[in-house]
Amino acid sequence: SQTIHQWPATLVQPVGSPLSLECTVEGTSNPNLYWYRQAAGRGLQLLFYSVGIGQISSEVPQNLSASRPQDRQFILSSKKLLLSDSGFYLCAWSVMNYGYTFGSGTRLTVV
Amino acid sequence: QKEVEQNSGPLSVPEGAIASLNCTYSDRVSQSFFWYRQYSGKSPELIMSIYSNGDKEDGRFTAQLNKASQYVSLLIRDSQPSDSATYLCAVTDAGGTSYGKLTFGQGTILTVHP
Repeated sequence: SQTIHQWPATLVQPVGSPLSLECTVEGTSNPNLYWYRQAAGRGLQLLFYSVGIGQISSEVPQNLSASRPQDRQFILSSKKLLLSDSGFYLCAWSVMNYGYTFGSGTRLTVV
Repeated sequence: QKEVEQNSGPLSVPEGAIASLNCTYSDRVSQSFFWYRQYSGKSPELIMSIYSNGDKEDGRFTAQLNKASQYVSLLIRDSQPSDSATYLCAVTDAGGTSYGKLTFGQGTILTVHP
């Protein structure tokens, strides 16, 4: 069966510090991978998606970046965090149009 | 720009009643439709998918799709307090260049009171 791992679960970082969130998928090959952010009381905002190794598409201009160094690994990064980067970050995978499976999420607080 | 609209609620129903959640979408080429349940502080969980007009039933849940009206709904029968959560409607098109990207509504908060 397919599983998705996302870590860490919570993170408190100072403004201007770097960020690295990691997501890995098991039990499937060549999944589509996604990073979403959910601000407090808000909907899900698509940040990045990837259809293959090294293929990253950005949906929203910002100081975040994403990379996919391996087929089932997706990384979200920032060189310098802003207060506005706080939120609930969700990684998800899908195959074709059968909907997403989300990871457990990382709650990021920038202070 | 694709839009998915939901009534944010909160929708409050008594235990045992039917909860009706509604969603409209703007993109006529949308082909796949999903309902997710999100408990407070948790990640969304897929509970229903529907791809063709009509009703689809799974246990206490029924999804209804009307592509002509660009409308999708979720009915929860015999609502339980454990159904209290935010319900997210999500829509994608048939694929092509969208790569299965989902557009989510803002979610409807459902509260089931004993």
